[in-house]
Amino acid sequence: DIVLTQSPDSLAVSLGERATINCKSSQSVLYSSDKKNYLNWYQQKPGQPPKLLIYWASTRESGVPDRFSGSGSGTDFTLTISSLQAEDVAVYYCQQYFSSPITFGQGTRLEIK
Amino acid sequence: QVQLQESGPGLVKPSQTLSLTCTVSGGSISSGNYYWSWIRQPAGKGLEWIGRIATSGTIDYNPSLKSRATISVDTSKNHFSLTLSSVTGADTAVYYCARGITGYSIFEPWGQGTLVTVSS
Repeated sequence: DIVLTQSPDSLAVSLGERATINCKSSQSVLYSSDKKNYLNWYQQKPGQPPKLLIYWASTRESGVPDRFSGSGSGTDFTLTISSLQAEDVAVYYCQQYFSSPITFGQGTRLEIK
Repeated sequence: QVQLQESGPGLVKPSQTLSLTCTVSGGSISSGNYYWSWIRQPAGKGLEWIGRIATSGTIDYNPSLKSRATISVDTSKNHFSLTLSSVTGADTAVYYCARGITGYSIFEPWGQGTLVTVSS
């Protein structure tokens, strides 16, 4: 199985500041035939299902604010929130679908400092 | 737009079988190239993918469930289902259904989730 390790486990950032969450994969999730990284990012607020933010490592889902961005390739990925808003408090997960079984990172809890 | 809704018993006894259904509304479960997945989340913990089914009949499971999971689809009722046999307390979780695009397991949308507790 591909193991995704997120860092840090929790993060406190001041409003308006940048938040950075990392996701490291135990093997590359870059698919050679289409040159896409099979890595997604989700946001989960309490009592809600996860919400898709970013797919193919860096493509923002429709309707997601542009303060959210994804980067990285191969085994190392980053989710960045450029200017933290109060509504961004949540747990963030990365997920790979390069190979079965589909796996998720353990999650990063983001709070306001 | 397509919406998903899980349903089923909220309490299951140990060693028995958990059965859940995900009803798809706002579109046909047969249209488009989609996989329909089950994902679960124990309280306060992370997400575990259980398996997926395509209306073509292709099914894929997480080996961690040790063959206890069965996913099926009923296109006439526009829903798909999960059964999990021989449950224990470790199977207590919120169970989500979600849609993924064939070839790209990008999960969107998700159901709201249903809590299943395994207890005598």
